Amino acid sequence: EAEVAQSPRYKITEKSQAVAFWCDPISGHATLYWYRQILGQGPELLVQFQDESVVDDSQLPKDRFSAERLKGVDSTLKIQPAELGDSAMYLCASSVSQETQYFGPGTRLLVL
Amino acid sequence: ILNVEQSPQSLHVQEGDSTNFTCSFPSSNFYALHWYRWETAKSPEALFVMTLNGDEKKKGRISATLNTKEGYSYLYIKGSQPEDSATYLCASEAGNAGNMLTFGGGTRLMVKP
Repeated sequence: EAEVAQSPRYKITEKSQAVAFWCDPISGHATLYWYRQILGQGPELLVQFQDESVVDDSQLPKDRFSAERLKGVDSTLKIQPAELGDSAMYLCASSVSQETQYFGPGTRLLVL
Repeated sequence: ILNVEQSPQSLHVQEGDSTNFTCSFPSSNFYALHWYRWETAKSPEALFVMTLNGDEKKKGRISATLNTKEGYSYLYIKGSQPEDSATYLCASEAGNAGNMLTFGGGTRLMVKP
């Protein structure tokens, strides 16, 4: 069964360092989403791509976060510089257009 | 209701007990309600997508109902098993949100053998 892949699964970094997370969606899924889930809360959408184009990045803190999906397949989410409050689970999901979103296992980030 | 809210936040039950939890969501401009199960160290797994008022979906021992007029959905688990231990997330999708999901905080279920 096809799955959304994410790496790394865990990342520990010091504040002010740069971190990057990678997501490979299910083959053929044009829509890709990055979510952030803070402990005790539900996932919140950071950015949505349709192919290589950003559809919604209204909740992405653009001063330190960036996301790209250059060839419309895999995607990278970067944080520079990381802050203590960025400690969270970062989830990637993909879907065929406007249908069910399938999630990857997430990257758990700890900023010290 | 402006946000998606889930209750209870956590629940401990004995194996064999039946249980249910609630998801409340904005009823205006409603499009769909999604339920996910998220086991520790795994990916959130889609359980149900519900769109119609009065809709009821079932998957094995798990079922869900939907009331779009009052803005709530119930998830039921019959005869809970330890493997049902997980966080259950609901997410509301609004009609003009372009497939954007607004998640509740989840209900963490622990089933004791």
